[in-house]
Amino acid sequence: KNQVEQSPQSLIILEGKNCTLQCNYTVSPFSNLRWYKQDTGRGPVSLTIMTFSENTKSNGRYTATLDADTKQSSLHITASQLSDSASYICVVSDRGSTLGRLYFGRGTQLTVWP
Amino acid sequence: EADIYQTPRYLVIGTGKKITLECSQTMGHDKMYWYQQDPGMELHLIHYSYGVNSTEKGDLSSESTVSRIRTEHFPLTLESARPSHTSQYLCASSAHRDRVVSGRSRTYNEQFFGPGTRLTVL
Repeated sequence: KNQVEQSPQSLIILEGKNCTLQCNYTVSPFSNLRWYKQDTGRGPVSLTIMTFSENTKSNGRYTATLDADTKQSSLHITASQLSDSASYICVVSDRGSTLGRLYFGRGTQLTVWP
Repeated sequence: EADIYQTPRYLVIGTGKKITLECSQTMGHDKMYWYQQDPGMELHLIHYSYGVNSTEKGDLSSESTVSRIRTEHFPLTLESARPSHTSQYLCASSAHRDRVVSGRSRTYNEQFFGPGTRLTVL
């Protein structure tokens, strides 16, 4: 069964600190992995997307890594800001159909305190 | 920011009412999607469309229906709302993107999400 598991479920950090969110997946055949940021009451917004041959991808203070062999990804946030408080969702796409079906994790709820 | 809109943003209605959630995008995307999301849970695909007059049911069974008469418009309708329909409904549209990675061309489907409609059925 294709699944995407994220950890931790929730995380609280102080402003200015770094943090790392984890994503493990079993989706096969693998096409790409995306990280989305979803603010409360809003739709998800794409942060990064990586194919299986990419090991790391950065977008400002966000850096995503991918290990396609172990089927693991991480999202590292440096120098956190209050505006980083949101749910971070790991999404994996397969290559099994023209739809490019997406499998969503439940997200990690990040709270940044001043 | 993506040009995809949803109305209303919040809706509280009584059981048995018929409702239509609106979704429109101005990007000319052929593919559109409806997802349902409960708090702390993953998004579940309930409907999708490849283009005008094309609609399919998604992974999660839903009592809602959709229509795609125009490319930019993908409304979702509940004929008789029930408390079990209380949820957040997210609309998305997608475009194909091509990237060159390690000398090879990769095509992927980039999805853009609307702000969502929070539905509460009393």
